[in-house]
Amino acid sequence: AQSVTQLDSHVSVSEGTPVLLRCNYSSSYSPSLFWYVQHPNKGLQLLLKYTSAATLVKGINGFEAEFKKSETSFHLTKPSAHMSDAAEYFCVVSRIRFGNEKLTFGTGTRLTIIP
Amino acid sequence: DAGITQSPRYKITETGRQVTLMCHQTWSHSYMFWYRQDLGHGLRLIYYSAAADITDKGEVPDGYVVSRSKTENFPLTLESATRSQTSVYFCASGPGLGYGYTFGSGTRLTVV
Repeated sequence: AQSVTQLDSHVSVSEGTPVLLRCNYSSSYSPSLFWYVQHPNKGLQLLLKYTSAATLVKGINGFEAEFKKSETSFHLTKPSAHMSDAAEYFCVVSRIRFGNEKLTFGTGTRLTIIP
Repeated sequence: DAGITQSPRYKITETGRQVTLMCHQTWSHSYMFWYRQDLGHGLRLIYYSAAADITDKGEVPDGYVVSRSKTENFPLTLESATRSQTSVYFCASGPGLGYGYTFGSGTRLTVV
């Protein structure tokens, strides 16, 4: 079984300050992990992915995430928030087994940027 | 234009009617998926396809039918729409397992 918990449903930060979106996962297997972003009335866009290579993963738009197996976490960070970062963010855990991939989505974190 | 497109963007239909949501991708990706997004449930997989003529059920397949006669198209049909199928539907595609997927912009379906 696998699950993912996004610890905050809503995060507000001021423009130019750091962003931290928290994600914990549970998986019986070595997981792949993803972060997606969804802007209003848009589809989900892949930000970054972890697939057991480097534990610090860099993504698009200055985001990065660190895989910490001991803490079962995959938190998303950005040093300096921009207004365009306002969106919904989803942490996703993936398991590939018997030629199929099962994605489990978190319930999302809405990021608000304060001017 | 390259990408993944869904149509229509918005649809209102009546209970009991059949409705088809279209999904088209231009990358020749092997894998295609249909998800529904509902408040409190996040995204849930309805059906997926690993290649043309190969489809399989996801987490919530009841009341839906899919087909994939061509690699680039993956239509989703609601055979007899119910109010519980009011949702935002997303199509996604990818070249293989574990790569991450590209999502369309969604279809907002309202069943009245």
